Amino acid sequence: KNQVEQSPQSLIILEGKNCTLQCNYTVSPFSNLRWYKQDTGRGPVSLTIMTFSENTKSNGRYTATLDADTKQSSLHITASQLSDSASYICVVSARTGKLIFGQGTTLQVKP
Amino acid sequence: DSGVTQTPKHLITATGQRVTLRCSPRSGDLSVYWYQQSLDQGLQFLIQYYNGEERAKGNILERFSAQQFPDLHSELNLSSLELGDSALYFCASSVLPGQGGRDTGELFFGEGSRLTVL
Repeated sequence: KNQVEQSPQSLIILEGKNCTLQCNYTVSPFSNLRWYKQDTGRGPVSLTIMTFSENTKSNGRYTATLDADTKQSSLHITASQLSDSASYICVVSARTGKLIFGQGTTLQVKP
Repeated sequence: DSGVTQTPKHLITATGQRVTLRCSPRSGDLSVYWYQQSLDQGLQFLIQYYNGEERAKGNILERFSAQQFPDLHSELNLSSLELGDSALYFCASSVLPGQGGRDTGELFFGEGSRLTVL
């Protein structure tokens, strides 16, 4: 069964600290993996899209990694800011075109 | 601004009623996706249209229906509303068809329509 599992479910960190969010998937055949940021009550916004041949992709303070062998991805946030408080959603695209969404990790950055 | 426009932003209605949510995709995008997000839940895929034709169906209730018009805007119709239908409804668009072995391409989400059923 195609599944995307994210951990932790929620996370609280202090402003300026780094954090890493995890995404494990069992989607096959794999096409690409996406990370989205969703502010409360807003639409998701794309952070990165990675194919199986890409190990790392950065977008400002956000760095995503992908290990296609172990079917794991992580999103690392450096020097967190209050505006990073949001839900982060991992989405895996199967080669069929189907998108499988994770449940998201809710990040709260405190001053 | 993603370029995807959803109206209305907020809607309050009573049980048993019917509402229509509207989505205008980004210029040039042929695919429209509808998602439901209940409170503190993940995004649930409802239905996808590509260039006017239904492309994929997710967990869409029989009380819900959608269509994509020749100008590529889409409408999601929700009828016989129940309390549990209260949620954020998101529309997303992309240029590629998705499904059937084709990638979706990058998805651009609208800001959502918040439906409250009392």
